[in-house]
Amino acid sequence: KAGVTQTPRYLIKTRGQQVTLSCSPISGHRSVSWYQQTPGQGLQFLFEYFSETQRNKGNFPGRFSGRQFSNSRSEMNVSTLELGDSALYLCASSLTVAGYNEQFFGPGTRLTVL
Amino acid sequence: AQKVTQAQTEISVVEKEDVTLDCVYETRDTTYYLFWYKQPPSGELVFLIRRNSFDEQNEISGRYSWNFQKSTSSFNFTITASQVVDSAVYFCALSEEGAGSYQLTFGKGTKLSVIP
Repeated sequence: KAGVTQTPRYLIKTRGQQVTLSCSPISGHRSVSWYQQTPGQGLQFLFEYFSETQRNKGNFPGRFSGRQFSNSRSEMNVSTLELGDSALYLCASSLTVAGYNEQFFGPGTRLTVL
Repeated sequence: AQKVTQAQTEISVVEKEDVTLDCVYETRDTTYYLFWYKQPPSGELVFLIRRNSFDEQNEISGRYSWNFQKSTSSFNFTITASQVVDSAVYFCALSEEGAGSYQLTFGKGTKLSVIP
């Protein structure tokens, strides 16, 4: 069974640009979550999607948005990039939205903002 | 609000030594789930274990063992006879059932270096 895949793996952008990251969950998984990882803040929750609906959002500005498609694939978008957005963005998939389900993580997209 | 504290930022041990990684959590929920993840240099978080708040049994899986104590709000992780391949950053995480969301709250992580 294929794991969670994320594309692209690496991105370099400049301030003010926008970026779209993609995540394909494990087959059969309907829940997708996104996390941002930085050396200073650690791992922080961004969004949670289930059946194309955003169920929860972390404490991030409106420049961060996302969506989920009918095939459970998800994208997140960051507009007007800032230097502080440089981070590893991790996507996780889970079978359902129950708290006991383990979340399986992808390899991440490393975003560098210059 | 939920919170996870991993007080040990970095630990270095010599191969074959035992090492314990500490995790202390805070939650107001009576139903919650605790997790440990491993992040090797490649960056991908690897799931290691899940524990629910109603199950305080310790668990052993090969060289790994976990000690869950609700009385002290701790969920510690021990690696016995450590190996170089155990070198990674280890994260403890918490998920609350009552939050209406299964988002994970992570600790800051403990970087383990196993020296040959």
